[in-house]
Amino acid sequence: QQQVKQSPQSLIVQKGGIPIINCAYENTAFDYFPWYQQFPGKGPALLIAIRPDVSEKKEGRFTISFNKSAKQFSLHIMDSQPGDSATYFCAASTQGGSEKLVFGKGTKLTVNP
Amino acid sequence: DTAVSQTPKYLVTQMGNDKSIKCEQNLGHDTMYWYKQDSKKFLKIMFSYNNKELIINETVPNRFSPKSPDKAHLNLHINSLELGDSAVYFCASSHRGGANNEQFFGPGTRLTVL
Repeated sequence: QQQVKQSPQSLIVQKGGIPIINCAYENTAFDYFPWYQQFPGKGPALLIAIRPDVSEKKEGRFTISFNKSAKQFSLHIMDSQPGDSATYFCAASTQGGSEKLVFGKGTKLTVNP
Repeated sequence: DTAVSQTPKYLVTQMGNDKSIKCEQNLGHDTMYWYKQDSKKFLKIMFSYNNKELIINETVPNRFSPKSPDKAHLNLHINSLELGDSAVYFCASSHRGGANNEQFFGPGTRLTVL
């Protein structure tokens, strides 16, 4: 059972475009929703995270939008750059418990110059 | 300087062999994890230790045995390696119960079973 569904699987945009990656979750106990960025040959690194008490969080060019009632959240990358080309993973976890992260299947983003 | 380190970076071995992967973190975290990333890039947790105690043990074959000698180290031993064990294995660490659950990942160990 996949608890976090992520789409699309891959995404190609031109430099300056705004790629959007979507995730949906099933477990209403989840209360922490991070996005991780992974470059080829490297480990994932935290990009930005949100808790369900806010509907949006922005850090630089990266924004998470969160819809608690729909159990969905998305990552927007403003003014995308070729250096943003990477695989992006959404995830979810429950604080206070095991805190294990359940990852989506990842989105490979390519930003063309 | 390295926050989470893993050795070796690459591991090529024959089916049936036993191998170990080592992980060390210098972040002062109390919780460490092992993840498996398959050929389709899917990341799945395998184990987690908090203060040397096993707290997460997903459905993993018992050929996989984690060992945490102290809070800063979490090793993974794999017996009787199979072709399907080929993957990238990531170690991660975090401070449990902190303001967030940011997990810091190591660079990964690419295991190839021939």
